[in-house]
Amino acid sequence: AQKVTQAQTEISVVEKEDVTLDCVYETRDTTYYLFWYKQPPSGELVFLIRRNSFDEQNEISGRYSWNFQKSTSSFNFTITASQVVDSAVYFCALSEALPRPGGSYIPTFGRGTSLIVHP
Amino acid sequence: NAGVTQTPKFRVLKTGQSMTLLCAQDMNHEYMYWYRQDPGMGLRLIHYSVGEGTTAKGEVPDGYNVSRLKKQNFLLGLESAAPSQTSVYFCASSDRDWDTQYFGPGTRLTVL
Repeated sequence: AQKVTQAQTEISVVEKEDVTLDCVYETRDTTYYLFWYKQPPSGELVFLIRRNSFDEQNEISGRYSWNFQKSTSSFNFTITASQVVDSAVYFCALSEALPRPGGSYIPTFGRGTSLIVHP
Repeated sequence: NAGVTQTPKFRVLKTGQSMTLLCAQDMNHEYMYWYRQDPGMGLRLIHYSVGEGTTAKGEVPDGYNVSRLKKQNFLLGLESAAPSQTSVYFCASSDRDWDTQYFGPGTRLTVL
């Protein structure tokens, strides 16, 4: 079973529309970290946000906002007034304290959501 | 400050050939990772390292070997390449295991 599920494979919107990318995770750990990364068409992976399991405060950064809800195991990402430059693949990731050397928090990535913003 | 660099950027191999991908980071990070990215599969962890001289298996380690002889370098080796290893390979590093990962630009490998 996937530990991180991004059910939306591809989303297509017109510029200025708001869009929400869903991320549902599965873990038995009480301490874990959630991330969002962006991969634009150029291919590089860019970090957007990190949230730990003890901090359920929503985060807003400009047009980007994140809604973390432990009750539904979700960490959704909303882009307000989307722009063409937001077109990218977005990955949600989960780091758990697995029983590995040093108890490392090894990340698991979702399969990504491709966002296409049309002018 | 270059961050994370990968060499080479592109490579074409024939089945059975071997090669080594080099990852270098200049941020003095302890943790380094190798991922592969395939269409519709997201990023899958191949191997990782929690410090100089240590390596561990990730989700898809078969057919790959790694070495971390120096803290700043993490090498990924393919001893006998197979078409199933055609992929884009990303290296990443982080200061601590739960911390933000910084990714290299990727290596596009094609095995014929």
